[in-house]
Amino acid sequence: DARVTQTPRHKVTEMGQEVTMRCQPILGHNTVFWYRQTMMQGLELLAYFRNRAPLDDSGMPKDRFSAEMPDATLATLKIQPSEPRDSAVYFCASGLMGIGSPLHFGNGTRLTVT
Amino acid sequence: GQQVMQIPQYQHVQEGEDFTTYCNSSTTLSNIQWYKQRPGGHPVFLIQLVKSGEVKKQKRLTFQFGEAKKNSSLHITATQTTDVGTYFCADFNDYKLSFGAGTTVTVRA
Repeated sequence: DARVTQTPRHKVTEMGQEVTMRCQPILGHNTVFWYRQTMMQGLELLAYFRNRAPLDDSGMPKDRFSAEMPDATLATLKIQPSEPRDSAVYFCASGLMGIGSPLHFGNGTRLTVT
Repeated sequence: GQQVMQIPQYQHVQEGEDFTTYCNSSTTLSNIQWYKQRPGGHPVFLIQLVKSGEVKKQKRLTFQFGEAKKNSSLHITATQTTDVGTYFCADFNDYKLSFGAGTTVTVRA
C-alpha cells in the first residue's frame, strides 16, 4: 500500500532551535501540500508544490518557515528559529494534479517547542 | 481564511442513532471533498462531490451536494463506535484544498 511517509513522528525542541520535517510523497504524485493542525486553527494550508515547484506559500510565516522539494521523493519544511506557538501537528499530503484528486496524508509530525 | 463553514462543531451521538453534519459556503464551490480523521490519526479521504444535487452513498454514510453548490451534508445512519472522529469538508479551489473546521463526533454506547 503506497503511503506518504513523514519523519520524525515526534519532535520536542527548545525555543530558538531549528526544526526540519521531512516528507516522502507517494511515487508518481505531482502535488505536495504542507498543513499545520492545531485545536484553535484547525487544518491550515502552509504551502503546496506542483511538479516540485512552489505554487503557494501564502499561509506560511515567511520570516521563519521555509518549504522546499529538492527532488521528487523529498519535501522539507523548516522552521528557524522555532517558537512555542509553532507547536502543532504538521501534515504532509500528496496527490495527483487535477480537480478532485484526493489527497493522501502522512501520519504527521507532532512538534512541541518549549 | 476558511471558505467553508461546518456545523455543528461537536456532535455527541447515542450509538444506533442517525446524525447529519453540514458544510456551507457563501460562494459557489467547484467541488467538495470529505475526509475523516480518527483521534490521533491523519485525515483520510472519503468521497468527492462535483455535480449539483449529487448524492453518493458509502454503506451507512450519505453525502449530498446542494443544488446551488454552496452546501454539502454528510448523514450517518445507525451510528457505531467506529464512526468516532472528526469529519472535514474541503473545498478544492484554485488547485488548493482548504478545509473546514470539522465536526468532531463522539459516540456513547
